[in-house]
Amino acid sequence: GAVVSQHPSWVICKSGTSVKIECRSLDFQATTMFWYRQFPKQSLMLMATSNEGSKATYEQGVEKDKFLINHASLTLSTLTVTSAHPEDSSFYICSARALRSGAHNEQFFGPGTRLTVL
Amino acid sequence: KQEVTQIPAALSVPEGENLVLNCSFTDSAIYNLQWFRQDPGKGLTSLLLIQSSQREQTSGRLNASLDKSSGRSTLYIAASQPGDSATYLCAVLGNAGNMLTFGGGTRLMVKP
Repeated sequence: GAVVSQHPSWVICKSGTSVKIECRSLDFQATTMFWYRQFPKQSLMLMATSNEGSKATYEQGVEKDKFLINHASLTLSTLTVTSAHPEDSSFYICSARALRSGAHNEQFFGPGTRLTVL
Repeated sequence: KQEVTQIPAALSVPEGENLVLNCSFTDSAIYNLQWFRQDPGKGLTSLLLIQSSQREQTSGRLNASLDKSSGRSTLYIAASQPGDSATYLCAVLGNAGNMLTFGGGTRLMVKP
């Protein structure tokens, strides 16, 4: 149980286009989803926390108008990278925290999305 | 602000060795600590989760300990195998229960 999927798994786009990444909790409901970014050979950096039905909370230094997050249901959150540029190329990973009791606040991670902006 | 450090950053060992990966954190007010494995270009696989009230957790050849007061955790891997080669990340969840802070990871290579 506790499976999180991401789509697409990889995407290549031209500079200036917008890219949407989906994060789904497949077998549980998640009130909170998290978006992370990982550069090569570096660790994960939290970008934003997304709560179902409310606005996302962005970490310092993350542009909310650049990285649009929507969490419309208990099983789906989307991250849209608007007007992507080469410096946005990275590995984007989402995680979801289960709504059910006894989950110890554990976050379950998706497989990641590799974004390459040409 | 919580800071998590992992030592060593990289480790190469021959197959069969027992090894210890270290993780330290600056703020002992944590809810839990997790160890993850990440293969190149892949997402995270949760290995062990230790609640703040626990001292250790075991899963197969893996054993993780937690000393909250000193801000340290260790991941012990027994009888290492080439398939254990990956990056190992530790992450702590603050008491507010929301933010996971990750260490920089240890890149492990187990040579056959």
